[in-house]
Parts: sequence; C-alpha cells; structure tokens
Amino acid sequence: QQPVQSPQAVILREGEDAVINCSSSKALYSVHWYRQKHGEAPVFLMILLKGGEQKGHEKISASFNEKKQQSSLYLTASQLSYSGTYFCGTGGSGGGADGLTFGKGTHLIIQP
Amino acid sequence: GAVVSQHPSRVICKSGTSVKIECRSLDFQATTMFWYRQFPKQSLMLMATSNEGSKATYEQGVEKDKFLINHASLTLSTLTVTSAHPEDSSFYICSAPAGGARTDTQYFGPGTRLTVL
Repeated sequence: QQPVQSPQAVILREGEDAVINCSSSKALYSVHWYRQKHGEAPVFLMILLKGGEQKGHEKISASFNEKKQQSSLYLTASQLSYSGTYFCGTGGSGGGADGLTFGKGTHLIIQP
Repeated sequence: GAVVSQHPSRVICKSGTSVKIECRSLDFQATTMFWYRQFPKQSLMLMATSNEGSKATYEQGVEKDKFLINHASLTLSTLTVTSAHPEDSSFYICSAPAGGARTDTQYFGPGTRLTVL
C-alpha cells in the first residue's frame, strides 16, 4: 500500500525550516527518502532501517518511528537548492532488496 | 555514490513499434534491478523486478508480454516496450541496490522519456 505523505506542497522562504511526513497503514521495515527535480531522476537522501533511528546529512535529517509507522524528514535553514519534490519509499520485510512503494510526493518551493 | 546509467535518455517512436531501454550499473554489480514508470506530476510506480539469471517478476497490472525485461549480465538490464501505444508514453526509470540486501541504498538512473506518437 502506498505510504501517505504530508503536506502535499509547501512554499518557504530561504532559511526557513520544513518537515515532511510519511506514514503507512502497515508495518514499516525501511524508509527511503529521495528528492527529485523536474525532469530528472530521484536523488537519494537517506535510508532509515530501525525504529527510532535518526539520520542527518548537513541540514537535512530524518527520523523513523516504527511504532507509529511513520517517518519525518526535516529540512533546516532551507536553501534554494532544496526545491523539488520529495518522495518517501517503503521497502519490504525480506532480507533481499525490494522495489520501493513511493508516496505521492511533497512539492517544496523555496523562494529567495 | 554508485552510478546507474540509462540509454537512451529520450525516445520518440511511432505507435506499434518496439523500444528498448538499457539500464547499467557502472561501478558495481547488481543481481537485481527495478523498473519504475512515472507519469507527469505523479509518483514513481514500480513495474517489475529484474533478476539476473532468472525471470523478471511483475507488479500486479503490468503486462509481462508488453514490457519485456532481460537481465543479461550483472551490470545490464533491458526493458523493451513492445507494440508501443500513446498511453505508454511516460518517464521510465530504473534503479539498482548497491548490494543485495534490503538495507542497501537504491540508486536511480537518469530516466528515459518515451513519447509514442
């Protein structure tokens, strides 16, 4: 089942913070976050694998609440380059790699 | 990070013809690759899993006879859209995990934009 992302879209001024949420109606085993710019392929941001795991990459970090079946992506002091569509993808429970089921995406627009 | 390439990046064809799209992992081996389709302003939808040395597995609703997948080597998977029709026009993207486990990062190719006239 497709994870649900919120909000659908957000417009920020450069330097502001944003939170993008991803929730699932079924158990989550892994959450993969990507950013896609128009006409380009998705770019990997981070993967979260365990409940409670938090990861950070520069000013972008994420958390994974396995119990609540949700993950959140945090964008701090946003930059113009952060604009794009953010997707969360969920994987299966097996040991091998699975194709991901993506949410509908969150459109992020950063204005100067 | 690992690099995945696709060829061609853009293709325009007439209705009824077949189109082959290649997906290559350039600096790692991939026993599994995934094919996605993305319509304008929509999310990526998994079409099929390409397995080296065995048959591909298709998601529900994806016609295996229309979308032929061949995983010829540990670095190459091809998707052939047979008898393409305008409704097949889409952005086709492949991905490959840099490893065989579910814990591995999946890297996406740059995508192929198919337009069927």
